[in-house]
Amino acid sequence: DAMVIQNPRYQVTQFGKPVTLSCSQTLNHNVMYWYQQKSSQAPKLLFHYYDKDFNNEADTPDNFQSRRPNTSFCFLDIRSPGLGDAAMYLCATTNSGNQPQHFGDGTRLSIL
Amino acid sequence: QKEVEQNSGPLSVPEGAIASLNCTYSDRVSQSFFWYRQYSGKSPELIMSIYSNGDKEDGRFTAQLNKASQYVSLLIRDSQPSDSATYLCAVRPGAGSYQLTFGKGTKLSVIP
Repeated sequence: DAMVIQNPRYQVTQFGKPVTLSCSQTLNHNVMYWYQQKSSQAPKLLFHYYDKDFNNEADTPDNFQSRRPNTSFCFLDIRSPGLGDAAMYLCATTNSGNQPQHFGDGTRLSIL
Repeated sequence: QKEVEQNSGPLSVPEGAIASLNCTYSDRVSQSFFWYRQYSGKSPELIMSIYSNGDKEDGRFTAQLNKASQYVSLLIRDSQPSDSATYLCAVRPGAGSYQLTFGKGTKLSVIP
């Protein structure tokens, strides 16, 4: 089945130690998103790609970076994770137009 | 600032009853409207999409849209305990935007 796959499902890292989360999709969608979601809060958009065109939200910390080497893969890099970065990170995709976004299962990030 | 407002709940309904979830949005030119279901610790799952005024039915779910009142709702008939989750309303602005604005979600609890 076509889907959005996030790895790993759970990630534990140390304070200040760089971490990379990955997302892949078999839907051939041209738009990919990264969201951060904390408990009882709405998903917060960090950035999105339209094809290779990168769009950063104004309030996304510089600590967060992203790469999209090809249509299928997108990575979220957190350069120096702080305790406040512990959250669920969600990857989503969509086609252009009015189609909904399809989410992966998410990566739960814990910071020690 | 584009906003999507939902009652946070919890909304408690007995099993078999109709659950009514409401959402208002501030951006008048919004074009696409989505309801996502999110179980605790899981990622959002698309339940319904609606694009034009009126009702759209899919099984036990009915989405209702009133663009003049900037209001969208989700009705769940014959509520089941498995419907207990947080329901997120998401709104996509006019043509050319690929972003969604999410409400904070309404937590629904279906009591057996």
